[in-house]
Amino acid sequence: QSALTQPASVSGSPGQSITISCTGTNSDIGSYNLVSWYQHHPGKAPKLMIYEVSERPSGVSNRFSGSKSGNTASLTISGLQTEDEADYYCCSYAVTKKSYVFGTGTKVTVL
Amino acid sequence: EVQLVESGGGLVQPGGSLRLSCTASRLTFSSYWMSWVRQAPGRGLEWVANIKQDGSEKYYVDSVKGRFTISRDNAKNSLYLQMNSLRDEDTAVYFCAREGSGWSLNYWGQGTLVTVSS
Repeated sequence: QSALTQPASVSGSPGQSITISCTGTNSDIGSYNLVSWYQHHPGKAPKLMIYEVSERPSGVSNRFSGSKSGNTASLTISGLQTEDEADYYCCSYAVTKKSYVFGTGTKVTVL
Repeated sequence: EVQLVESGGGLVQPGGSLRLSCTASRLTFSSYWMSWVRQAPGRGLEWVANIKQDGSEKYYVDSVKGRFTISRDNAKNSLYLQMNSLRDEDTAVYFCAREGSGWSLNYWGQGTLVTVSS
């Protein structure tokens, strides 16, 4: 299964909002609300930021929000902070294929 | 704090084998599906395999089918990945992760590095 498509990089100034897109197909993102987002600082464990398209785990800042339209999911980070600088990955679970597919990853830079 | 710790990584020649382990502490291991995810150098995350709570169902990414085997021992709070016929392209950091709501991966280890090279 091909990886979901994300922009390679997104940047913003502190306090600004940015949005990362994640494009899949009718077989994954388009068919199920099983999209999750992960923050990854290199050398550390990835961290779950959003699950089921728009749900936030306990302890994750409400500056992080998720949405979906058709075959594209999005992660928005509002009030950008320096500690948000990291790699971000979307992920979709494809029920019929019983497999996960990750996005290509987006490097977020805080200017 | 919940902890997943991977071990067993190292340098292996092409065609060789390696067994990775993941030990869980301070989390309910036996009640959840578990996954292995890898990240090759300079690349993104790639899901490798997962296993049901009782080990009765196992699924793999196409590129490792027939070469890798996922297993678990709930009595030892441990997850395993037996990797055979290793290839250069299997070089990666391997993470174990616990599956949560909506088939998300809500707890991750820090990873163990596997290098396949002659």
